[in-house]
Amino acid sequence: DIVMTQSPDTLSVSPGERATLSCRASQSVSSSLAWYQQKPGQAPRLLIYGASTRATGIPARFSGSGSGTEFTLAISSLQSEDFAVYYCQQYDSWPPVTFGQGTKLEIK
Amino acid sequence: EVQLVESGGGLVKPGGSLRLSCAASGFTFSSYTMDWVRQAPGKGLEWVSSISITSSYIYYADSVKGRFTISRDNAKNSLYLQMNSLRAEDTAVYHCARDSGSRWYSDWGQGTLVTVSS
Repeated sequence: DIVMTQSPDTLSVSPGERATLSCRASQSVSSSLAWYQQKPGQAPRLLIYGASTRATGIPARFSGSGSGTEFTLAISSLQSEDFAVYYCQQYDSWPPVTFGQGTKLEIK
Repeated sequence: EVQLVESGGGLVKPGGSLRLSCAASGFTFSSYTMDWVRQAPGKGLEWVSSISITSSYIYYADSVKGRFTISRDNAKNSLYLQMNSLRAEDTAVYHCARDSGSRWYSDWGQGTLVTVSS
């Protein structure tokens, strides 16, 4: 199975600043990488698929990049509603699809 | 608007059984592969099982293989997960999720909590 590792586990950033979250795959997943946002008590929400394509309705301040084994989710100018847990998921080699352990983005 | 609503969770003793349901609306259910993904309390996401449009292709995580059975009823727009021989480590919120067609998930349900404890 492909292991997805996210860093850092927790990221503290002030509102209005930029956040950069990382996701690494144990082997190449090409561009088969998605990012989700999850707030407490809520379902995950798709942000990015294909490593860099924003899902419908996702603001332009969210951007994804990378390919192979190294990926980044960047959030420019953080809004209060952006503080949440973020997960990456590979879907290049399945079953199983696999998720990272999550990065908690908290207010500094 | 796409809606996925899970039900059937609850408290069950180790070795017991539970059947989860997911009611889908707002899209053509019979046109999408559907999955179950779980999340243990305070933990990350773990894929559990997947079922194709006509139920021809079914996959399970190794951790549940032989104990869980996924099924669907396209006439009722419903997805199911029969869970037998439950263990403490199966305690989690179980989400149903719509596969986009490319194995990422475009929509998720809120989930139903399964607690396995004596």
